[in-house]
Amino acid sequence: NAGVTQTPKFRILKIGQSMTLQCTQDMNHNYMYWYRQDPGMGLKLIYYSVGAGITDKGEVPNGYNVSRSTTEDFPLRLELAAPSQTSVYFCASMDGLNTEAFFGQGTRLTVV
Amino acid sequence: AQSVAQPEDQVNVAEGNPLTVKCTYSVSGNPYLFWYVQYPNRGLQFLLKYITGDNLVKGSYGFEAEFNKSQTSFHLKKPSALVSDSALYFCAVREYSSASKIIFGSGTRLSIRP
Repeated sequence: NAGVTQTPKFRILKIGQSMTLQCTQDMNHNYMYWYRQDPGMGLKLIYYSVGAGITDKGEVPNGYNVSRSTTEDFPLRLELAAPSQTSVYFCASMDGLNTEAFFGQGTRLTVV
Repeated sequence: AQSVAQPEDQVNVAEGNPLTVKCTYSVSGNPYLFWYVQYPNRGLQFLLKYITGDNLVKGSYGFEAEFNKSQTSFHLKKPSALVSDSALYFCAVREYSSASKIIFGSGTRLSIRP
């Protein structure tokens, strides 16, 4: 099993550009999450999903959008990139309510 | 709303000494509690969890944590620190009644000196 796979690993965007961060898991997990990690700030929850077709906002959803058309994929969309979105983004998935989350390796995004 | 606090940004310990990384939480119901570790330029790795049962839980790499309901704490401990334990540690909480959201603390950097 590959686990949770994120692409790309690195990306530089110009202000106002858009992009999609990809996240795929091969463990058939229902729950999926997107976090951003800023230095000294820990991880902040952007969006999460409890199953295909269901998404909900986390702590810091502004400037982002998500979709969950399949169990495996949970892409994160940035429509108008801003310098404040410079961060490391982590995707995670979880099997059930008594289990832990598994994390991808992260995407380092810089907006200039 | 649930929240997690890690009061120490950094903890410094000599190799061979015991270590403690502190975590307190706030939830409206029963908590699910987790510890994760992050090495440089890597994703988070699961260490241990408390769901129910014994208050002392044991996890990977010799780490353990004690759930204290009255103090709403879940401190991470290890009897004898190794230099290789140096990393960033995160505490996380999920509410039993709303088990979807996982909220993380701000992280504690653990530095073990030889």
